[in-house]
Amino acid sequence: EVQVVESGGGLVKPGGSLRLSCVGSGFMFSGHSMNWVRQAPGKGLEWVASISGTSSYIYYADSVKGRFTISRDNAENSLYLQMDNLRAEDTSLYFCTRDILGFYGMDVWGQGTTVTVSS
Amino acid sequence: ENVLMQSPGTLSLSPGERATLSCRASQSVSSRHLAWYQQKPGQPPRLLIHGASSRATGTPDRFSGSGSGTDFTLTISRLEPEDFAVYYCQHYGRKTFGPGTKVDIK
Repeated sequence: EVQVVESGGGLVKPGGSLRLSCVGSGFMFSGHSMNWVRQAPGKGLEWVASISGTSSYIYYADSVKGRFTISRDNAENSLYLQMDNLRAEDTSLYFCTRDILGFYGMDVWGQGTTVTVSS
Repeated sequence: ENVLMQSPGTLSLSPGERATLSCRASQSVSSRHLAWYQQKPGQPPRLLIHGASSRATGTPDRFSGSGSGTDFTLTISRLEPEDFAVYYCQHYGRKTFGPGTKVDIK
């Protein structure tokens, strides 16, 4: 079964750090670009960051640039999001997603991991 | 920045009716880069349409996408009970999502 599973969410104080992880299984992980997408409580979807299969291309939303770092370890089939200098507005459910091959879209989504930034 | 706008915000319809959802971009979008997702409460989004009109694996054929340039449409020909959900369009080139259209039961 093709799936991705996120972990690492939790409660953190403003200014703090957190590292999210995502493990992929059932597919050739290194062959796909991967993404983080977040959803604040009761709100819509916001793309956060993307990384190509070989980590050659990395992109960030303006809202997280300079504070978040996306990375991957293909040997471990894992995707990461290092989040530093967290703000209250970063409170969201964070989804790990896989890019569909050959087309444009995100065809595999995890259930998400919740990040809450509060004092 | 290419902003996506979706209308209406909420669409109230009955099962069996036709649903027409609009996604409008502030600048022209390549059709290849326009995707649609469905999200039900408590679930992650699911890719329905990519390339503006190509159904993703497992998408029922009552869902169809169309459009080009700045105007795109998702049509559900006959609403089934499981279709009541929130629908998002996405400009994949910029990764941005629209604000969503909620389709609820009238």
